[in-house]
Amino acid sequence: GDSVTQMEGPVTLSEEAFLTINCTYTATGYPSLFWYVQYPGEGLQLLLKATKADDKGSNKGFEATYRKETTSFHLEKGSVQVSDSAVYFCALIPTGNQFYFGTGTSLTVIP
Amino acid sequence: KAGVTQTPRYLIKTRGQQVTLSCSPISGHRSVSWYQQTPGQGLQFLFEYFSETQRNKGNFPGRFSGRQFSNSRSEMNVSTLELGDSALYLCASSLVFGNTEAFFGQGTRLTVV
Repeated sequence: GDSVTQMEGPVTLSEEAFLTINCTYTATGYPSLFWYVQYPGEGLQLLLKATKADDKGSNKGFEATYRKETTSFHLEKGSVQVSDSAVYFCALIPTGNQFYFGTGTSLTVIP
Repeated sequence: KAGVTQTPRYLIKTRGQQVTLSCSPISGHRSVSWYQQTPGQGLQFLFEYFSETQRNKGNFPGRFSGRQFSNSRSEMNVSTLELGDSALYLCASSLVFGNTEAFFGQGTRLTVV
């Protein structure tokens, strides 16, 4: 069935470090892929998305490229800030159906 | 433009009771989905409503139910509460059914004691 496998956390980085959070997926057809972010006590906020192979989603310095050949959608940011501390969720929608979420990766950025 | 509004934000109930949670989607959005978030199971899909009809349902027992009103507002109900129902319940709003642009509310934190 459809699923998302996400890098286990927690991840702790120093400010200005490079961030990668790995995400791979299993899905039939051509799903849309997403990264959501959850700050403490809040709901989910859409960070970026890609709807077809080779699309690159980007927002607030974060990027992820939809790689169909490796079934991956890794999240990257060149220089993290303390304000990026949150939990990040990779998700997919297989052709207009429900979201399937990864388990989430907690990121803490220390000054 | 107002976002997705979930009420109440926090709720404490006793085992065996029932609870109703409310979600008001973004104005003009007609699809509402519900998710349960727990530390052990992560985010799990409960159901999706569009035009007052349930279009999709996750793998939850019949104690979990929902409905959608003509103004697109949705409620979910959990009957005979169990300790394991303690979770953050998130509502997501989309323009139409199957639309991939979903916006989440802040959630209702339910604690069952």
